[in-house]
Parts: sequence; C-alpha cells; structure tokens
Amino acid sequence: GENVEQHPSTLSVQEGDSAVIKCTYSDSASNYFPWYKQELGKGPQLIIDIRSNVGEKKDQRIAVTLNKTAKHFSLHITETQPEDSAVYFCAASEGGSSGSARQLTFGSGTQLTVLP
Amino acid sequence: SAVISQKPSRDICQRGTSLTIQCQVDSQVTMMFWYRQQPGQSLTLIATANQGSEATYESGFVIDKFPISRPNLTFSTLTVSNMSPEDSSIYLCSVELSGNEQFFGPGTRLTVL
Repeated sequence: GENVEQHPSTLSVQEGDSAVIKCTYSDSASNYFPWYKQELGKGPQLIIDIRSNVGEKKDQRIAVTLNKTAKHFSLHITETQPEDSAVYFCAASEGGSSGSARQLTFGSGTQLTVLP
Repeated sequence: SAVISQKPSRDICQRGTSLTIQCQVDSQVTMMFWYRQQPGQSLTLIATANQGSEATYESGFVIDKFPISRPNLTFSTLTVSNMSPEDSSIYLCSVELSGNEQFFGPGTRLTVL
C-alpha cells in the first residue's frame, strides 16, 4: 500500500518568512495530493491540492509543487502570518472514477509555528 | 465544499460502554469515510461507508468494534463498542465531492476512563 513520509515534524519561522513542508510517497499509481491545515480543536481543512498532470499550483500565498519522477511534493507558504500556525498534513491517493474507493494516506503532520 | 456536522463534539465515557457518533452533511454524497486521530498523531482510515452497501473496513479495524450505518446519502453513524482507554481519540468523518476532494467534519473528541 501507499506510504507517505512528511518532514519536518516541527517548523518555526518568523512572521513574514517562507515555510516549506515536504512529503514523499511510495505508490507510483497515486495521482492526487491534497494538503490539509488542522487548527487546535478543529477538523482538517483542505487548503490546496494538486494532481499528477500538473507540476505546480498556486493560490495566493500558498503553492504546491509535485515531482512525479522523484515521488515528492511540497507545500510552500510565503509571507507567513501568525494565523498560519497549525498542523499541516499532506496526503496521497489514487484518484479514480466515481464509485471506486479512493482512500487518502496521510503524512505524519508538521506543526508550524509562526513567531510574531 | 460541504458543511459537515458531528455529534457529539466531545464525550467522556466509562470503560466497557459504547458511543455512537453521528455525521450529517448538507448535500447528498456517495462516499463517506470515518477516520481516527489518536492524540498528537496523524489520521488513520477506519472504514469507507457507501449508502446501500456494507462498510469496507481497513486492516486493524473490525465491524464488531466499529459498526457503521449509512441509511441515506447525507447521514452516517460510527459506534465505538466496548470501549477501553486505548479508544480515546478524535473520530472524524469526511465526505468526498467531485474531483476526489475530501472534506472533514469538526471531529468528536472521545475520552475513555
């Protein structure tokens, strides 16, 4: 089955700096890679995702890159703000047609702290 | 996206008892999932619940311990049976919308004494 590794486990940055979180996956059949932000006491929130047919996707201060050959993908947050502080999870799945099981395999999480 | 609610939001239960967690979504969805998140850990899939069929359980999870119902396209329940302190976790439901995107509920925080 799929195995997703995530690094670092903790990351502290100064407000305004950039943060990068990296994940690797093992199953070459995986083609969907979402990122979730989980604030304390809340459920995970989907913040951005990327599919295997693109190499990069950006949404305001957040970007995700994918290297299919190396089987790794990364989350980039620019101009970090204190409200970006949370646990971030990467995940991978083999997206399929409607009706088929598409379970997500999650990374271990990164606790991001943005220092004011 | 979807608006997903879970009940209860948290509970403290005695060893040996059972708790049923409800998950309600504001639109009809085919795929619903139940996850467990142990303290400080990542998410682990318990089972996939499709309406009209039996839930599909992941390795390490069995129906007798975690029975699931899926009576319609907007609702599901997960029961944690014969609880022990090791069952203390956050239990999360999620739904899959178009494009494989999964959205999560707020979670149910369970403490077993």
